[in-house]
Order: sequence, then structure tokens, then C-alpha cells
Amino acid sequence: DSGVTQTPKHLITATGQRVTLRCSPRSGDLSVYWYQQSLDQGLQFLIQYYNGEERAKGNILERFSAQQFPDLHSELNLSSLELGDSALYFCASSPLTTSYEQYFGPGTRLTVT
Amino acid sequence: EDQVTQSPEALRLQEGESSSLNCSYTVSGLRGLFWYRQDPGKGPEFLFTLYSAGEEKEKERLKATLTKKESFLHITAPKPEDSATYLCAVRTGNSGGSNYKLTFGKGTLLTVNP
Repeated sequence: DSGVTQTPKHLITATGQRVTLRCSPRSGDLSVYWYQQSLDQGLQFLIQYYNGEERAKGNILERFSAQQFPDLHSELNLSSLELGDSALYFCASSPLTTSYEQYFGPGTRLTVT
Repeated sequence: EDQVTQSPEALRLQEGESSSLNCSYTVSGLRGLFWYRQDPGKGPEFLFTLYSAGEEKEKERLKATLTKKESFLHITAPKPEDSATYLCAVRTGNSGGSNYKLTFGKGTLLTVNP
């Protein structure tokens, strides 16, 4: 158990809908990252937050957005969903003090029908 | 653009048959190379971080090494429970530490048969 929690574990929704994925980082970790993993693309970095502020963006679509709240939990919002958005979405957190490794949560499996 | 290439894509070993997985990278300014293990449907599990050429890290049957262009994950006398996908990632970004991302390779699927 990495200490990172994600909810829900599974999500099934229809095209055009909007969903919110939630992540709680490990205790004491200020930085949160979101990744998307699909069979053909592998693990792709989406976005990073550090202590409430956006710090880095990767291959994140305009239909997707994220935020980190004062209690450091983070939410990833996916809107106007398409079939191709079906994937595993992982959240990771990192201490960024003495070490830089990222600890991943169990993921949310999103299925868009 | 940062690139990470892992080989082979899949590797099948007999229990006890040692081997190595390769991770080659092309980045501008490596600030760390990370190895993860991922079981099907689970989140990646952190294994090692390597920062400079010549560095080695060990954990049970696994040993990770780093050169200026590639890293190897050596698996000695593997057991069936070592079966998983092994992912390599590189860290790039500014030196301050609060702003960086990991670029992952596509992984090596290791199967160890009893």
C-alpha cells in the first residue's frame, strides 16, 4: 500500500458525460501528479500540482482539468467524454524534499460506452 | 523531446534463469532514472532511483545499474512472483525540484514460469 488513495475504483459512463476522479496524496507529500494509462500509449503524464499550484502540464486535453485543494487532495475533471478516454487514471504523490520518487495510487478505471 | 525505450517488450524466463531488462533514454539533462514494477490492473510500485552513471541499487533479486545512455534491471534467479511489467522512467525539469514530470517507457512484461 503506497498511502495514496483514489476514488472511485471503477467508473462506467456514456459519451458526452462529465466525471470527477479524486486523489488523496500520502501524508506530508505536497506534490500530486495525474497520469493516464492506455494499452497503446503506455503511462502518459497529464498534469502536476504542488501545494495547490499547477507546476507542469503534459499531454492533457482541453476537455480535462484538475485542481489541488488546501487539504492537498486533488481532483481530475474529464468532460465531453469520448470512447478514446477509456483508460486507467493514476494519481501519484511525491515528497520533493529529500527524494523525488513518485508513489502511485491504485488507479481509477474509466470505461466510456 | 525526452524518449525512453525499453527492451525487450516481453520476456519469458524459467524459474532460476537470470536475465536483464534494458532501458535506454534520450533526454536533455537527466535528473533521475526510476524503476517501477506494475502488476495487472494495479498502480506502479516504486523500486529504485538512480541519479548518476555508475550508480547501482539492489533489492532482493533485483539490481539496477545506470550508464550515461541506459539502465539495466538485472534479475537474479527469478521466481514466479517476480512476474510483472517493469517500467523505467526518467525525470526531467528544473533543478529546483518542485516542478518536474516523469517520462515512462512502455515497459517489459516479464513472465517467470515455475
